[in-house]
Amino acid sequence: GEEVAQTPKHLVRGEGQKAKLYCAPIKGHSYVFWYQQVLKNEFKFLISFQNENVFDETGMPKERFSAKCLPNSPCSLEIQATKLEDSAVYFCASSQSGGGVTEAFFGQGTRLTVV
Amino acid sequence: GENVEQHPSTLSVQEGDSAVIKCTYSDSASNYFPWYKQELGKGPQLIIDIRSNVGEKKDQRIAVTLNKTAKHFSLHITETQPEDSAVYFCAASKGGYQKVTFGTGTKLQVIP
Repeated sequence: GEEVAQTPKHLVRGEGQKAKLYCAPIKGHSYVFWYQQVLKNEFKFLISFQNENVFDETGMPKERFSAKCLPNSPCSLEIQATKLEDSAVYFCASSQSGGGVTEAFFGQGTRLTVV
Repeated sequence: GENVEQHPSTLSVQEGDSAVIKCTYSDSASNYFPWYKQELGKGPQLIIDIRSNVGEKKDQRIAVTLNKTAKHFSLHITETQPEDSAVYFCAASKGGYQKVTFGTGTKLQVIP
């Protein structure tokens, strides 16, 4: 598709439950990024992929967060045992490879509310 | 790691006036500086970007300047319109598909 598609748009989980978010990058884009936006607009980088390989995972809280990008499937971000502080909007972005193009296109986000 | 500071946090201008948002970055290895506009309930949308081998770039009513020595870059919007009202983010990256580090955002309100 021509836009980054994120599902679901909203997700409500009780503390301790699992949350799974999905992202379909723009067709032909090789790089996928996940960001977390908390209150007051702060963006935090989580992880990026080059195709199905982890490219940069320096922002990932390793204990409860995991992510995958498998061939022919949407990418996913999973949070085990959610905490109140995980409440945020999670954005996925994708970039195409080749020619040094680095423009990232963002999806509309998934708002996760942990209650 | 990279640290991007952005000012002001809020900005109100009369329709037709100019708006300027300023950012500084800390990592001299950063070489790609995108600006994003985020409307309520939506994802960030790239409005203009600049690379470190360029000092200024303009696209219609929007311009960005970069001072690599001082590690400053700025967004200028001229002839502002109500539809320019949104939150604007500056960002910095080392390019080559590296992550971007965002500033803290500027909420721009254009008063008709």
